[in-house]
Amino acid sequence: AQSVTQLDSHVSVSEGTPVLLRCNYSSSYSPSLFWYVQHPNKGLQLLLKYTSAATLVKGINGFEAEFKKSETSFHLTKPSAHMSDAAEYFCVVSDDGTLGGSQGNLIFGKGTKLSVKP
Amino acid sequence: EPEVTQTPSHQVTQMGQEVILRCVPISNHLYFYWYRQILGQKVEFLVSFYNNEISEKSEIFDDQFSVERPDGSNFTLKIRSTKLEDSAMYFCASSEVGFGSGVYGYTFGSGTRLTVV
Repeated sequence: AQSVTQLDSHVSVSEGTPVLLRCNYSSSYSPSLFWYVQHPNKGLQLLLKYTSAATLVKGINGFEAEFKKSETSFHLTKPSAHMSDAAEYFCVVSDDGTLGGSQGNLIFGKGTKLSVKP
Repeated sequence: EPEVTQTPSHQVTQMGQEVILRCVPISNHLYFYWYRQILGQKVEFLVSFYNNEISEKSEIFDDQFSVERPDGSNFTLKIRSTKLEDSAMYFCASSEVGFGSGVYGYTFGSGTRLTVV
């Protein structure tokens, strides 16, 4: 069964410094992995996705994530934080299931709240 | 960019009342989903819907819940008799394809915050 663990519930960085949000996953299949961001009172916005192509995935707003199968990790990074990056970030794995089975439902991590100090 | 639209953004209802949460998925998407997030907890899968029927549902999606696509554009979630523990943010999502849709990803709406008092 698929699962995802976000190792930090809250990360605080200063503006202009790097961001690292950690995620480990467990999957029986070749997983699809996503990072979503949720700004206050907003919906879930897709940042980036990994779907067994390149292991280094570039997303929107300067974020990227690297799929490391040996470490079962999919950490999210950004070289330089901006105040507008303050939000909650969710690491998500897609339960692609077996052929003809699951509809590819999403399994969410608990989320990491990112704070950015001026 | 196409959006999934949810209405209302916030609904307050009395315990025992019926509520209907509405969603307009992206027009060429074929698979529709409801997820919920109780305050402070994970986002959880409720149900997926394709070809006018439920494809899959979680343990949370009991007889109090139902989904419907009453016309070509809306996708609704009905809670028949609300309980206090139904208070949550409910997200609608749609995707272009189902199996393997991880390749394409999902588009989520901005959510409906349901408060049961």
